[in-house]
Amino acid sequence: AQKVTQAQTEISVVEKEDVTLDCVYETRDTTYYLFWYKQPPSGELVFLIRRNSFDEQNEISGRYSWNFQKSTSSFNFTITASQVVDSAVYFCALSESLTGTASKLTFGTGTRLQVTL
Amino acid sequence: GAGVSQSPRYKVAKRGQDVALRCDPISGHVSLFWYQQALGQGPEFLTYFQNEAQLDKSGLPSDRFFAERPEGSVSTLKIQRTQQEDSAVYLCASSAPLWGADDEQYFGPGTRLTVT
Repeated sequence: AQKVTQAQTEISVVEKEDVTLDCVYETRDTTYYLFWYKQPPSGELVFLIRRNSFDEQNEISGRYSWNFQKSTSSFNFTITASQVVDSAVYFCALSESLTGTASKLTFGTGTRLQVTL
Repeated sequence: GAGVSQSPRYKVAKRGQDVALRCDPISGHVSLFWYQQALGQGPEFLTYFQNEAQLDKSGLPSDRFFAERPEGSVSTLKIQRTQQEDSAVYLCASSAPLWGADDEQYFGPGTRLTVT
């Protein structure tokens, strides 16, 4: 069965600090996708990134960067120079193929990030 | 608007009542998903439609839960004889392609259901 573990329940940082959110996954699929979503207090899930299991290159997008390590089944997310607007719950998710052509997402339990001034 | 919309945003039901939650996906999106998010947890898959066909309903927690998408666009999730454990946020997501199994799912704002 697919499983995503986000061991950090809550993290508090002061603005401008760097913070890394951990994600460890389990799957028997050889091809899969990993995702990160942000859920601000408004509740809507905001897509941040999708990573193919064959692509282990790290990715950087502005202040965000992702480190995918297949050997340790981890897909960690780093926010550099955090800002108050980054405060939200962050979910890591793993795709699992469904009948047809779509995939369902298996989510972790989320990490609540609190950034204060 | 261009995003996924859901209504109502909030619903309070007395135990035993039936409820219906609506999802309007992004126009043209083939795939539609329902997830249930309990307080403090990540979303959990309930069911999936490709156009009007419900291809997977393995996540529906009981036969009190029923979903439909009769014309391949708007979807309704119905919960009969609601129980307190049904209290959660119900999220709808849609994605575009018929091909391309792992494209981004766009989520709606959710319906927060409280059963009293």
